[in-house]
Amino acid sequence: AQSVTQLGSHVSVSEGALVLLRCNYSSSVPPYLFWYVQYPNQGLQLLLKYTSAATLVKGINGFEAEFKKSETSFHLTKPSAHMSDAAEYFCAVRPNSGGSNYKLTFGKGTLLTVNP
Amino acid sequence: GAVVSQHPSWVICKSGTSVKIECRSLDFQATTMFWYRQFPKQSLMLMATSNEGSKATYEQGVEKDKFLINHASLTLSTLTVTSAHPEDSSFYICSATGRLAGVDTQYFGPGTRLTVL
Repeated sequence: AQSVTQLGSHVSVSEGALVLLRCNYSSSVPPYLFWYVQYPNQGLQLLLKYTSAATLVKGINGFEAEFKKSETSFHLTKPSAHMSDAAEYFCAVRPNSGGSNYKLTFGKGTLLTVNP
Repeated sequence: GAVVSQHPSWVICKSGTSVKIECRSLDFQATTMFWYRQFPKQSLMLMATSNEGSKATYEQGVEKDKFLINHASLTLSTLTVTSAHPEDSSFYICSATGRLAGVDTQYFGPGTRLTVL
């Protein structure tokens, strides 16, 4: 069984400020972890993913996330927020094996707003 | 360009009619496709998993006779919402997994907004 908890359904930051979106996971087997971004009325775009290589993962648009097994966390950060970062962000988990286990379990999402 | 497409991007239909949504993988053969639905301001909920040439596996609580899934080829899966009702109004998103440039990857389609009047 696997699950994802995103702490904070809404995060608001000022432009240029640090972005921190929290994600904690629960998985009975070693997981793969993902962060996706969704702009209004659009599908999901992969920001980054952890697949058991380096624990600090760098993604697109200046985002990065660190896998911390001891804390079962995979928080998403960006040093300086841009207005264009305003979107919904989803953390997701799946078992680290292929085939039908590509089935992702998503968190409830965190809406990021960026204030000028 | 997009590697997974969906058609239509939005559709409005009358209650009681059926609506078909297509999901295509454009640059790779998708061994598995997934269908999700997303209610406003909520997360994605997996509806079913489909493998080419076999019956779809539905998640608990999803009516397989209402949401018909056909994965007839390695590049196309369809979701048909039969006898649609207003409560079926939602954003439907597909994803496809396959091997692209030697790497197993999963891509999401852009979604289809269904509104049932």
